[in-house]
Amino acid sequence: NAGVTQTPKFRVLKTGQSMTLLCAQDMNHEYMYWYRQDPGMGLRLIHYSVGEGTTAKGEVPDGYNVSRLKKQNFLLGLESAAPSQTSVYFCASSYFSVGTDTQYFGPGTRLTVL
Amino acid sequence: ELKVEQNPLFLSMQEGKNYTIYCNYSTTSDRLYWYRQDPGKSLESLFVLLSNGAVKQEGRLMASLDTKARLSTLHITAAVHDLSATYFCAVSDSNYQLIWGAGTKLIIKP
Repeated sequence: NAGVTQTPKFRVLKTGQSMTLLCAQDMNHEYMYWYRQDPGMGLRLIHYSVGEGTTAKGEVPDGYNVSRLKKQNFLLGLESAAPSQTSVYFCASSYFSVGTDTQYFGPGTRLTVL
Repeated sequence: ELKVEQNPLFLSMQEGKNYTIYCNYSTTSDRLYWYRQDPGKSLESLFVLLSNGAVKQEGRLMASLDTKARLSTLHITAAVHDLSATYFCAVSDSNYQLIWGAGTKLIIKP
């Protein structure tokens, strides 16, 4: 049981480049989330999904897109990376909605945009 | 808009001492979570507190919730080096999204 996994672990991009972060979970969770963590701040929700084929905006969605084509996978895309998107990105999942259930986190992806 | 404040943001203490981390939030909520993050690692769930007066304990850590005061505390008893980490509280807002505190970086010196 791998839990929540993220690919890649590290990435360096140039401004304007695009990339996709992959999150996978093997716990059959309905809910999945993408957060970003910046120094000295708590996590901020980017987008989330309440089930396969559904996505919704979180607190800081601008500059990001997501897709949930399969229940176990949640993809986060950056179409045109900006230095302000330098951050550590965490994926999480939960069986029930965030308000009623603990979230399980992946190991994180450290992204640097030059 | 729900805001969550933790204090202190940084705490250095000696092994064997007791201390408390505070988590205040600005609007009504009935769920509060505590997570731990080791340097360079992911976040691990510690406690979920669901009602006023809730108290949870695990080893040297004890968390409590006062919904009327909009305050949760994480108490560390007889601290040991292994408890060095950053501790986050997170509160469920009216949209059932989690709003996170900035974290308390705890360093416990042998």
